[in-house]
Amino acid sequence: GDSVTQTEGLVTLTEGLPVMLNCTYQTIYSNAFLFWYVHYLNESPWLLLRSSTDNKRTEHQGFHATLHKSSSSFHLQKSSAQLSDSALYYCALSDNSGTYQRFGTGTKLQVVP
Amino acid sequence: GPKVLQIPSHQIIDMGQMVTLNCDPVSNHLYFYWYKQILGQQMEFLVNFYNGKVMEKSKLFKDQFSVERPDGSYFTLKIQPTALEDSAVYFCASSTGTGMSAETLYFGSGTRLTVL
Repeated sequence: GDSVTQTEGLVTLTEGLPVMLNCTYQTIYSNAFLFWYVHYLNESPWLLLRSSTDNKRTEHQGFHATLHKSSSSFHLQKSSAQLSDSALYYCALSDNSGTYQRFGTGTKLQVVP
Repeated sequence: GPKVLQIPSHQIIDMGQMVTLNCDPVSNHLYFYWYKQILGQQMEFLVNFYNGKVMEKSKLFKDQFSVERPDGSYFTLKIQPTALEDSAVYFCASSTGTGMSAETLYFGSGTRLTVL
């Protein structure tokens, strides 16, 4: 069945350094939609980014990601990490076979001064 | 932005008792979801609900679980009876219902359920 893999459980970065959080997925369906949700402590998870068409970059709030169907990836990037970026980041997948989104295990991003 | 409210934020209950988790979804949304997150693990889909009916449920949605949204009020998840392995954070989410699984999910902040 479908799956989402986030290999890093914890990423610790110094403020100002670039961010890259990995997300790969598996699905047998050609129509895959990928999402990045961010979850700050004691708040609700919310949508940060949603994939567009293959090889097209999407951006929001300084973050960007590009869906690459050839490598089944949707990595989250940011050029310069800020202390306020410290949160849990979930990658999620949906396809046209079902009615819900499947989440990865999440990556905790910790940005330190 | 649109808010999903979950009541209560924490619930402690003895094993075998019944518990109801309440969710107030975004007002014009038509699709509702419950996800379960055991400490340290990923959010896992339990069930979704549309037009008064369960659309899809996962293997985690045991017979002791039920959902309903009577008369447009709270969207509820009821567990009867509870078991120790039901201890988790339960997230409610809603979406507009126009694009099904490709839509943005709006989440509540979760209910932490502890079964003793």
